Amino acid sequence: DTVMTQSPDSLAVSLGERATINCKSSQSVFYTSNNKNYLAWYQQKPGQPPKLLIYWASTRESGVPDRFSGSGSGTDFTLTISSLQAEDVAVYYCQQYFSTPYTFGQGTNLEIK
Amino acid sequence: QVQLVESGGGLVKPGGSLRLSCAASGFTFSDYYMSWIRQAPGKGLEWLSYISGSADIIYYADSVKGRFAISRDNAKKSLYLQLNSLRAEDTAVYYCARAAVPGVGATLYWGQGALVTVSS
Repeated sequence: DTVMTQSPDSLAVSLGERATINCKSSQSVFYTSNNKNYLAWYQQKPGQPPKLLIYWASTRESGVPDRFSGSGSGTDFTLTISSLQAEDVAVYYCQQYFSTPYTFGQGTNLEIK
Repeated sequence: QVQLVESGGGLVKPGGSLRLSCAASGFTFSDYYMSWIRQAPGKGLEWLSYISGSADIIYYADSVKGRFAISRDNAKKSLYLQLNSLRAEDTAVYYCARAAVPGVGATLYWGQGALVTVSS
């Protein structure tokens, strides 16, 4: 199985500042045939199901604010929130959908400093 | 709009069984792979299983292989998960989920979840 490891586990950032979450996969999730990274980022708030933010590592889902961006390739990925807003307080997960089981990272708890 | 509504959760004793259902609407159900994903209380997400639109491709995570069974009824636009030989560690919210695209893809649509509690 592909192990997804996020860092840090918890993060406190001041409003308006940048937040960066990293995700490392134990195997490459890059598919050479279509030049895509099979990596997604989700946001989960208490009592709600996860919400898809980013897919193919860097494509923002429709309706997601442009302060959210994804980058990386192969085994190393980053989710960046350029200017933290109060509504961004949540747990963030990365997931690979390159090979079954489609494993998730352990989650990063993002708070306001 | 796409809607996924789970039902069938509840309290069950260790070793018992339960069947979860997911009613889908707002899209051509038979075109899409469907998945089950769970989340234990206060814990992270665990992807469990998927089934192709025609049910000819099925996959299970090792943690549930041989105990859980995924199925679908395209005429009823419903997805199912049969949970057998339940253990305390199976206590979780179980989400029905669909990718953004008919094949393999990131999970765009999630139900609200069904809570399964395994306890004596």
